[in-house]
Amino acid sequence: AQSVTQLDSHVSVSEGTPVLLRCNYSSSYSPSLFWYVQHPNKGLQLLLKYTSAATLVKGINGFEAEFKKSETSFHLTKPSAHMSDAAEYFCVVSEGGYNKLIFGAGTRLAVHP
Amino acid sequence: DGGITQSPKYLFRKEGQNVTLSCEQNLNHDAMYWYRQDPGQGLRLIYYSQIVNDFQKGDIAEGYSVSREKKESFPLTVTSAQKNPTAFYLCASSDPGTQETQYFGPGTRLLVL
Repeated sequence: AQSVTQLDSHVSVSEGTPVLLRCNYSSSYSPSLFWYVQHPNKGLQLLLKYTSAATLVKGINGFEAEFKKSETSFHLTKPSAHMSDAAEYFCVVSEGGYNKLIFGAGTRLAVHP
Repeated sequence: DGGITQSPKYLFRKEGQNVTLSCEQNLNHDAMYWYRQDPGQGLRLIYYSQIVNDFQKGDIAEGYSVSREKKESFPLTVTSAQKNPTAFYLCASSDPGTQETQYFGPGTRLLVL
């Protein structure tokens, strides 16, 4: 069975410093992996998606993630945090077939001035 | 302006009452989904529908019901059998060409009086 572990429930950074949100997965298949962002009381917005093409995936708002099969990781990074990046971030793996998504528990990112 | 709409934004339920949450999409997506989100947790799948007049139970379907009479609409009813309905409910749909990428609505927060 597939699963997703987000290693930090909360991450706090200063504005202008790098962001690292960690995600490990387990999968029996060649997985598709996603990062979504959720601002308070809002729906989820897709940041980026990995589907077995390039292992370094670039997303919106300057975010990117690297798929490392040997480490079963898909960490999300951004070189310089903005105040508007403060939100909850979900790492998601697809179970394949028809749309079975497995969500991590989420990482809440706080950005301080 | 394409997207997914959910209404109402907030909904209050009395004990023993059934309530229905609306989800409409104009993206021409075949598949639609309902998720439940509780604080500090990822999303859990309630029901999904791959095509009109067909739907499948997700991981936590007990106490919920759905219908899919039209491609653009996928309402969720929270029945009185759902003993802990307080949560944030998110509807999503997926592109027939890229089934794994789901797009989310803004959500409905259900509270019990």
